[in-house]
Amino acid sequence: GQNIDQPTEMTATEGAIVQINCTYQTSGFNGLFWYQQHAGEAPTFLSYNVLDGLEEKGRFSSFLSRSKGYSYLLLKELQMKDSASYLCAVGDNYGQNFVFGPGTRLSVLP
Amino acid sequence: DTGVSQDPRHKITKRGQNVTFRCDPISEHNRLYWYRQTLGQGPEFLTYFQNEAQLEKSRLLSDRFSAERPKGSFSTLEIQRTEQGDSAMYLCASSLAAGEDEQYFGPGTRLTVT
Repeated sequence: GQNIDQPTEMTATEGAIVQINCTYQTSGFNGLFWYQQHAGEAPTFLSYNVLDGLEEKGRFSSFLSRSKGYSYLLLKELQMKDSASYLCAVGDNYGQNFVFGPGTRLSVLP
Repeated sequence: DTGVSQDPRHKITKRGQNVTFRCDPISEHNRLYWYRQTLGQGPEFLTYFQNEAQLEKSRLLSDRFSAERPKGSFSTLEIQRTEQGDSAMYLCASSLAAGEDEQYFGPGTRLTVT
């Protein structure tokens, strides 16, 4: 089966750090992606992990543990514009099929 | 090239009618995906093309749904005999090649079935 879990909602304060977790169970694995989606807009790519460990890209970092079926997205120095949904997606079946999680809606408060 | 485009952006139709959506991917991308997204949920995979070949189709996809990519460039998604449950945002995405390449999403077509 295919299952991806994320918290439904999170709230954080401007300037703070927030960690959004994602757990997955898929029949295959060809990498894990994080996307950002503002309300009413299309998802935009944030990060890709295929090996265990941390990938850092500016204020955003993403971590993967394949043995645990677990990833997180770390957002530092939060800004109001970071208020959005964050989607975890797993490339399944040799990358031919992408499974998205339900998304985590992050609200950044002043 | 400014990215993935989709047409129309909004479609309102009556139950039982057929609708067709178009997606124009980024020109050098040979992979094209269709997704459906409802409010508060992540995108749900529908189907995917490698050039003109449809290589994968979700088992959840009804026979009323069909997609084509005749020349390996733009793609169309047709829904026949629409139902109210088909109301959703239909997203198209393209990528350069293999699974590790990020997908670039279009703005989506919002379908409302009355």
